[in-house]
Amino acid sequence: AQSVTQLGSHVSVSEGALVLLRCNYSSSVPPYLFWYVQYPNQGLQLLLKYTTGATLVKGINGFEAEFKKSETSFHLTKPSAHMSDAAEYFCAVSKGNSGNTPLVFGKGTRLSVIA
Amino acid sequence: DGGITQSPKYLFRKEGQNVTLSCEQNLNHDAMYWYRQDPGQGLRLIYYSQIVNDFQKGDIAEGYSVSREKKESFPLTVTSAQKNPTAFYLCASRHRGSNTEAFFGQGTRLTVV
Repeated sequence: AQSVTQLGSHVSVSEGALVLLRCNYSSSVPPYLFWYVQYPNQGLQLLLKYTTGATLVKGINGFEAEFKKSETSFHLTKPSAHMSDAAEYFCAVSKGNSGNTPLVFGKGTRLSVIA
Repeated sequence: DGGITQSPKYLFRKEGQNVTLSCEQNLNHDAMYWYRQDPGQGLRLIYYSQIVNDFQKGDIAEGYSVSREKKESFPLTVTSAQKNPTAFYLCASRHRGSNTEAFFGQGTRLTVV
């Protein structure tokens, strides 16, 4: 069964500093991986996804993530944090390798950006 | 514009009452999902449907019920059997294929008073 572990429920960075949010997955089949962002009292918005091909994936708002099979990781990074990046971030893995089976989500990491 | 609409945004319910949360999508997606979100718990799957007139229980289905009579609609009923219903509820839909992303509604915050 697929599962996702996000290391650190809360990460705090200074404005302009590197953002690194960690995600490790467990999957019995080649995974499809996703990062979502959530602002308070709103739904989730897709940042980026990895399906096949290039292991470095670029997303919206300057975020990117690298799929590392040997480390079973899919960490999210951004070179320079902006105040507007403060939000909750969720890593997800696609459950199963066919059909419309549900995404499995990690518990989330809240990102705070300090001026 | 295509998307997912959840209503209402905020909902208050008295203990012992059933309440239904609405979810409508015009993305022509086959699959729809209901998740519950509590602080520090992430998103937990309640029910999902891969096709009209069919649905499956998720990890925390007890105290909830759903229907899928139309492709566009997937309402969730929170019954009086749900012991702790106060939470943020998110509906999502997804096109066929496990490599596709889920699209989310704006959520419904349910409070039991």
